[in-house]
Amino acid sequence: DADVTQTPRNRITKTGKRIMLECSQTKGHDRMYWYRQDPGLGLRLIYYSFDVKDINKGEISDGYSVSRQAQAKFSLSLESAIPNQTALYFCATSDSDNSYEQYFGPGTRLTVT
Amino acid sequence: EDKVVQSPLSLVVHEGDTVTLNCSYEVTNFRSLLWYKQEKKAPTFLFMLTSSGIEKKSGRLSSILDKKELSSILNITATQTGDSAIYLCASNGGNTGKLIFGQGTTLQVKP
Repeated sequence: DADVTQTPRNRITKTGKRIMLECSQTKGHDRMYWYRQDPGLGLRLIYYSFDVKDINKGEISDGYSVSRQAQAKFSLSLESAIPNQTALYFCATSDSDNSYEQYFGPGTRLTVT
Repeated sequence: EDKVVQSPLSLVVHEGDTVTLNCSYEVTNFRSLLWYKQEKKAPTFLFMLTSSGIEKKSGRLSSILDKKELSSILNITATQTGDSAIYLCASNGGNTGKLIFGQGTTLQVKP
């Protein structure tokens, strides 16, 4: 079984809809991250969480919110989806003792029409 | 502002060629530089370079950190079609545990 899982893997939604992307991990890591990937722009950090009570905005948090329900679960929400949020979204985890190496989930491809 | 820049953005070579991918960084309190390979799925970790470990090698892949020039290179010798991927470079962002990623280099290896 994969250590970091994301659901759904693909989603098409309409402008204005609320959508939640979920991430679960079995690695026992404290730190979790949400990124989006757009062609030619690499990975950009949306939100990150170093433990259940510690949540921080990344470089592109506008239009997104997150919830850290447990150490193993970190959800990303788009309250009112817009077309420029069409992207590939990745969840990642890292261990606080070796925090720079991150482990990525398989990604969620989101299309907003 | 912390940033990581990769070059070239894309590259096409033939099997057997040697390629060099570049990464430059400007980050506060540099701690580490990481390379990832991304095929049609999640990025997978290749190397982490730090001030105490400036050169890493694994098979045909190797990477060097130049702390003076604030840069790193990733070399791939005797390329194979399976090396076709996006190669991502990242460095730590300030005193936090987060990473700043470059734009990625898309490598295509033709038979």
